[in-house]
Amino acid sequence: AQSVTQLGSHVSVSEGALVLLRCNYSSSVPPYLFWYVQYPNQGLQLLLKYTTGATLVKGINGFEAEFKKSETSFHLTKPSAHMSDAAEYFCAVRTGGGNKLTFGGGTRVLVKP
Amino acid sequence: EAGVAQSPRYKIIEKRQSVAFWCNPISGHATLYWYQQILGQGPKLLIQFQNNGVVDDSQLPKDRFSAERLKGVDSTLKIQPAKLEDSAVYLCASSFNPMAGQETQYFGPGTRLLVL
Repeated sequence: AQSVTQLGSHVSVSEGALVLLRCNYSSSVPPYLFWYVQYPNQGLQLLLKYTTGATLVKGINGFEAEFKKSETSFHLTKPSAHMSDAAEYFCAVRTGGGNKLTFGGGTRVLVKP
Repeated sequence: EAGVAQSPRYKIIEKRQSVAFWCNPISGHATLYWYQQILGQGPKLLIQFQNNGVVDDSQLPKDRFSAERLKGVDSTLKIQPAKLEDSAVYLCASSFNPMAGQETQYFGPGTRLLVL
């Protein structure tokens, strides 16, 4: 069965500092991987996705993630945090042909001025 | 392009009462999903529709939860009777056609349910 582990339920960064959110997955088939962001009282918004091809994926709002098959990881980074990046971030893996998503537990990001 | 619409946004009920949530997906999206997001956790898929047929309902508590998408467009999710542990945000999502590689799911704002 597929699963997703996000290390750290809370991350605190200073404005302008690097944001690094960790995601490890398990999958019995080549994975499709996603990062979503959720702002308070809102639904989830897609940041980026990996399906096939280039392993470094660029998304919206300056975020990017790198698929590393050998490490079964898909960590999310942003070089310089902005106050507007304060939100909860979810990593997800697509499971099977039915397009079911299995989500990690989420990481809440706090940005300090 | 209009996004996924959900109503109501908030609902408070007492245990053993019934409640229904409504979702209207993005126009033209064949696939519709209902997720349950308990506080502090990631969303969990309850049921997936392809047009008006069920693709996956393996995690739907069928003794109390039901869902339908009769005309292949909008959908309702019902809980009857509700339990305290059903307190959560219920998210609806849609995608164009995952079978053709259009797999990105677009999420609505959710319905926040509190069972007292």
